[in-house]
Amino acid sequence: DTAVSQTPKYLVTQMGNDKSIKCEQNLGHDTMYWYKQDSKKFLKIMFSYNNKELIINETVPNRFSPKSPDKAHLNLHINSLELGDSAVYFCASSQVGESNQVGSPLHFGNGTRLTVT
Amino acid sequence: DAKTTQPPSMDCAEGRAANLPCNHSTISGNEYVYWYRQIHSQGPQYIIHGLKNNETNEMASLIITEDRKSSTLILPHATLRDTAVYYCIVMMIYNQGGKLIFGQGTELSVKP
Repeated sequence: DTAVSQTPKYLVTQMGNDKSIKCEQNLGHDTMYWYKQDSKKFLKIMFSYNNKELIINETVPNRFSPKSPDKAHLNLHINSLELGDSAVYFCASSQVGESNQVGSPLHFGNGTRLTVT
Repeated sequence: DAKTTQPPSMDCAEGRAANLPCNHSTISGNEYVYWYRQIHSQGPQYIIHGLKNNETNEMASLIITEDRKSSTLILPHATLRDTAVYYCIVMMIYNQGGKLIFGQGTELSVKP
């Protein structure tokens, strides 16, 4: 079974549209993340959620809104898509450690390639 | 910004050891060194991590210098499937989990 799964794998859409990317993890982790990898291959964190609570929000435009219905899911909604949003989006999860100790490594999904035309 | 410096690319002959260096001269006492790799078109994959002691697992070994300002990832017998971008990351620890900041990584090409 896939540990972190994202759907869809490919998403092609036009400027101005609203789209969503879904992510599910079956590892029992309590923290989930969204990363963006642009055309230059740099991976940058966008958000992280711990037990459905937003923990990290890295100066991402308001058009991007993560939603976590439960700790196994973290979906990414993008409104009014722009050309610059074209990238590969990776979902990841991890388990927080006890008493400020480092937790488990991040497990990544295989990405969603978003193309905005 | 990434707190690590890696060579942009390296070559390694199949079957030989691949030694990937990383500088992290500003690392603080409670920050770990993590290594991930990304094979083309896949999500990043965890390899190994360490604080100050050398570490070994089934995939690789991690050698951290005594002053912790640099480290080396060793793939003991590189195969063609090890061709990937390797990221050395210094992990900041929050109460709710770590935030990975990826640099540009080292593109390792394993050649027959």
